[in-house]
Amino acid sequence: DAGITQSPRHKVTETGTPVTLRCHQTENHRYMYWYRQDPGHGLRLIHYSYGVKDTDKGEVSDGYSVSRSKTEDFLLTLESATSSQTSVYFCAISESAVHGYTFGSGTRLTVV
Amino acid sequence: DQQVKQNSPSLSVQEGRISILNCDYTNSMFDYFLWYKKYPAEGPTFLISISSIKDKNEDGRFTVFLNKSAKHLSLHIVPSQPGDSAVYFCAASEGGGADGLTFGKGTHLIIQP
Repeated sequence: DAGITQSPRHKVTETGTPVTLRCHQTENHRYMYWYRQDPGHGLRLIHYSYGVKDTDKGEVSDGYSVSRSKTEDFLLTLESATSSQTSVYFCAISESAVHGYTFGSGTRLTVV
Repeated sequence: DQQVKQNSPSLSVQEGRISILNCDYTNSMFDYFLWYKKYPAEGPTFLISISSIKDKNEDGRFTVFLNKSAKHLSLHIVPSQPGDSAVYFCAASEGGGADGLTFGKGTHLIIQP
């Protein structure tokens, strides 16, 4: 979507390797979010950020860490990837829920 | 414990008819509700929302109804068009949603010609 990009779009990695997904926005929105989408589970919140260096855990944060050193970038890191982390990962940005969230196009991650 | 529930995984509707998608929630602190639409290989896109102080919000072919006493909301699409075929997610937030939206599992809407 315009104003938010995720990279890479697809990635295959081996179990035990570290992986970093990047979310970049040009909207200068304060809030940024990482979600994962899995069949039968919908979208589940991993971590979110409410400003530079301000982050907090979501519903499914185990095995993930995040960093936000600049307003425009929100990084999601899997320190040691596991097969259960095979999923589609979506980044979202927001001014507030009143305005809705804008989602990126997603990153399909496969851990083999 | 699932706080937002969409109990119909899929729904098939004939083109031109009304599509009604349902959503139930359990958290009485939710004060804002949203619907998102998602096509394959794309991110969800915001469709329509409603505040808990209202019971209806309309935007073109899309209307969302909120029944707070029943903790139930529904999305009506009239008339349904082929491009409406997608997965629809219901989402809810409390206190402005800064700490994230809670999503349902989604309903796959199929519009048949």
